[in-house]
Amino acid sequence: AQSVTQPDIHITVSEGASLELRCNYSYGATPYLFWYVQSPGQGLQLLLKYFSGDTLVQGIKGFEAEFKRSQSSFNLRKPSVHWSDAAEYFCAVAPLRGYNKLIFGAGTRLAVHP
Amino acid sequence: GAGVSQSPSNKVTEKGKDVELRCDPISGHTALYWYRQSLGQGLEFLIYFQGNSAPDKSGLPSDRFSAERTGGSVSTLTIQRTQQEDSAVYLCASSLARGRQRGGGTNTGELFFGEGSRLTVL
Repeated sequence: AQSVTQPDIHITVSEGASLELRCNYSYGATPYLFWYVQSPGQGLQLLLKYFSGDTLVQGIKGFEAEFKRSQSSFNLRKPSVHWSDAAEYFCAVAPLRGYNKLIFGAGTRLAVHP
Repeated sequence: GAGVSQSPSNKVTEKGKDVELRCDPISGHTALYWYRQSLGQGLEFLIYFQGNSAPDKSGLPSDRFSAERTGGSVSTLTIQRTQQEDSAVYLCASSLARGRQRGGGTNTGELFFGEGSRLTVL
């Protein structure tokens, strides 16, 4: 069955520290890959996406993610976290054909200490 | 407005009552999606509309759930005889269709989400 796993439910980092949020997927073929962020009381916002090409993808707000086919992973990274990055982060996949019927992971809640 | 608009933002209802949730997509977006975000369940797909095509209803959890999209724009999600387990945030998203666009280029069909309607069933 198609699924997305985000192993870390909750992560706490200090402001200025680096961040890596893990995402693994189980899919019949390499899907399209996405990271979304949801800040308190707000809708989901797309951070970045991978469709093809360079496996290191740059997104908004200084985030990047690397697609590793051999590990079925699409981990999200940021070199230096800001307090405003505190939010919930969702990894998602969509099939290559058809439409963006997103399958989401359970999310990782990020807390940032000053 | 510029974004996806959902109403009401909050709805409290009694078990057994029917509720309607509305979604106004971004103008020009042909695709519309409904998702449900429950505590401990994450985000689950409910239904997808694309233009005049038959919707993909494969995610609707029971026959108490239905949705329609009138005139290819506004959508209404209806939950009949609500149950406590229906309590969740219902998210709507819209997008352009994925694929090649007139004038060149390819659209990846990025979803734009509304802020959601929080439903509480007492």
